[in-house]
Amino acid sequence: NAGVTQTPKFQVLKTGQSMTLQCAQDMNHNSMYWYRQDPGMGLRLIYYSASEGTTDKGEVPNGYNVSRLNKREFSLRLESAAPSQTSVYFCASSDRTEKLFFGSGTQLSVL
Amino acid sequence: KNQVEQSPQSLIILEGKNCTLQCNYTVSPFSNLRWYKQDTGRGPVSLTIMTFSENTKSNGRYTATLDADTKQSSLHITASQLSDSASYICVVTYGNNRLAFGKGNQVVVIP
Repeated sequence: NAGVTQTPKFQVLKTGQSMTLQCAQDMNHNSMYWYRQDPGMGLRLIYYSASEGTTDKGEVPNGYNVSRLNKREFSLRLESAAPSQTSVYFCASSDRTEKLFFGSGTQLSVL
Repeated sequence: KNQVEQSPQSLIILEGKNCTLQCNYTVSPFSNLRWYKQDTGRGPVSLTIMTFSENTKSNGRYTATLDADTKQSSLHITASQLSDSASYICVVTYGNNRLAFGKGNQVVVIP
């Protein structure tokens, strides 16, 4: 029972570099999410996908793109990383009651 | 203004003592309220869900209450243990399955 799996766990980038955060869930959930968590700010929604083939912007989408590759996988891409994107990123999926199941997070530092 | 306010922001308690965390929300129409526990370096995990008709629900040493009229919830931790040291996040589901997050209560239990 893996639940939600995120990779990588840690990443350091230089300003302007690009990278993709990978996320996969094995619970057959329709909805998947990407959040960022910053000290004193709580969890903020970047993008979400209500079902395979659909994606929508959340509260803080600027500088990010997403792909819902299939029902299991939802990736987050930073095309040109900026120091303001230094954060901890969480992928999550939800069941029909909107209960969220989170991955273990990716700690990203942009220098 | 944040739609979900949690207090206190942080607290330190002695092992074995009780504590109560507060969550006030303004969003509507209300669907349900969940408390999540987030251990350091991990993703949040759901502790309990409160629906409109429920006043109290327990999960082991955790007891959640809900007053939907005043839009307030509390999470009571009984006989705290070192493993209760974590951030506790209040999440309200409202409207068309939208989620509003509190910033969390940081609890530190000391021996």
